[in-house]
Amino acid sequence: DSGVTQTPKHLITATGQRVTLRCSPRSGDLSVYWYQQSLDQGLQFLIHYYNGEERAKGNILERFSAQQFPDLHSELNLSSLELGDSALYFCASSVGTLTTGELFFGEGSRLTVL
Amino acid sequence: AQTVTQSQPEMSVQEAETVTLSCTYDTSESDYYLFWYKQPPSRQMILVIRQEAYKQQNATENRFSVNFQKAAKSFSLKISDSQLGDAAMYFCAYRSPSFTGANSKLTFGKGITLSVRP
Repeated sequence: DSGVTQTPKHLITATGQRVTLRCSPRSGDLSVYWYQQSLDQGLQFLIHYYNGEERAKGNILERFSAQQFPDLHSELNLSSLELGDSALYFCASSVGTLTTGELFFGEGSRLTVL
Repeated sequence: AQTVTQSQPEMSVQEAETVTLSCTYDTSESDYYLFWYKQPPSRQMILVIRQEAYKQQNATENRFSVNFQKAAKSFSLKISDSQLGDAAMYFCAYRSPSFTGANSKLTFGKGITLSVRP
């Protein structure tokens, strides 16, 4: 158990809909990262938050947005969903200062868009 | 920008044998971290081993060890005494030393699927 909690684990929805994925980082971790893993694809970095502030954006579509709340949990909002958005979405966390460098990953949220 | 390349999409190894997974990376930084993550069929991302670039000694974790060649920008993973449970996708990853900054993400290779033959 990595200590990172993601909900929901599975989600099936229709094109055009909007969903919210939630992530609770490990206790004490200030950084949250979101990654997308499509079928047979590697892990694509979406966005990074550190202590409530957006620090970096990767290949995140304009239809997607995220935020990190004061209690450090994060949400990834996906809107106007398309078939190609079907993927496994990972949240990962790490400590801002004292750290051995790795990211700790949640179990992922598998999104299926029909 | 940093890039990570895993050129072998698939590999296979006989149970109890040794296998080496290759990874190369490109960076202009002198200090950084390298990782191997394992993704079994459960899809959970599990850290296998880490290497700090400033350390000349290759990291080892039980049956897993790395061959870190900084000048060649190469970071291979050796799995000894392969077990059926080692079957998974393995990702090589790079991270800059600034853990809070805009470039603190992990950059992953495309991964390699390892199968273990009984």
